[in-house]
Amino acid sequence: SQKIEQNSEALNIQEGKTATLTCNYTNYSPAYLQWYRQDPGRGPVFLLLIRENEKEKRKERLKVTFDTTLKQSLFHITASQPADSATYLCALYTGGFKTIFGAGTRLFVKA
Amino acid sequence: EAQVTQNPRYLITVTGKKLTVTCSQNMNHEYMSWYRQDPGLGLRQIYYSMNVEVTDKGDVPEGYKVSRKEKRNFPLILESPSPNQTSLYFCASSQAANSPLHFGNGTRLTVT
Repeated sequence: SQKIEQNSEALNIQEGKTATLTCNYTNYSPAYLQWYRQDPGRGPVFLLLIRENEKEKRKERLKVTFDTTLKQSLFHITASQPADSATYLCALYTGGFKTIFGAGTRLFVKA
Repeated sequence: EAQVTQNPRYLITVTGKKLTVTCSQNMNHEYMSWYRQDPGLGLRQIYYSMNVEVTDKGDVPEGYKVSRKEKRNFPLILESPSPNQTSLYFCASSQAANSPLHFGNGTRLTVT
């Protein structure tokens, strides 16, 4: 079955730097891949969606890449701010009315 | 404001005492889903619904029931809760099964 792997270790970076988070998946490449942000005690919030025929997608300071050969997506936050500190989740729609999620990577941005 | 509303936010109960967690969305979404979130395991899908009166099992359905009598509501029922159902539960909705999900703020359930 399809599985998603995200780095379970927290990522600590300095304010102003670029944060890069990794999402790896097994088996077949999904039609598209999504990224969500989750703050403590809150539900995940949708950020970006990238389709398999798109190499890169941008939204303000966010950038997502999708490499179906490597079976990997990278999520970048440029000019990071302490307010970007949160857990970021990768998600795949597997078909059959199911979206599966990775366990998430916790990001800490220090001022 | 477009939102998914879950109640209650926190619930402590004892083994075997039936409970219901309510979920309501105001976006006229056809697709709704329940997830549980446990440390290190991420979000796992419990049940989903494609439309009124149409529901199906997700990856971890054991011990749970759902119903979809109205488009906006999708309650999660635990007929006989057990301690291994202690978790953080999220309801989500979307326009279609393959659309981005809108999540509620979660229900933290503790079963003793």
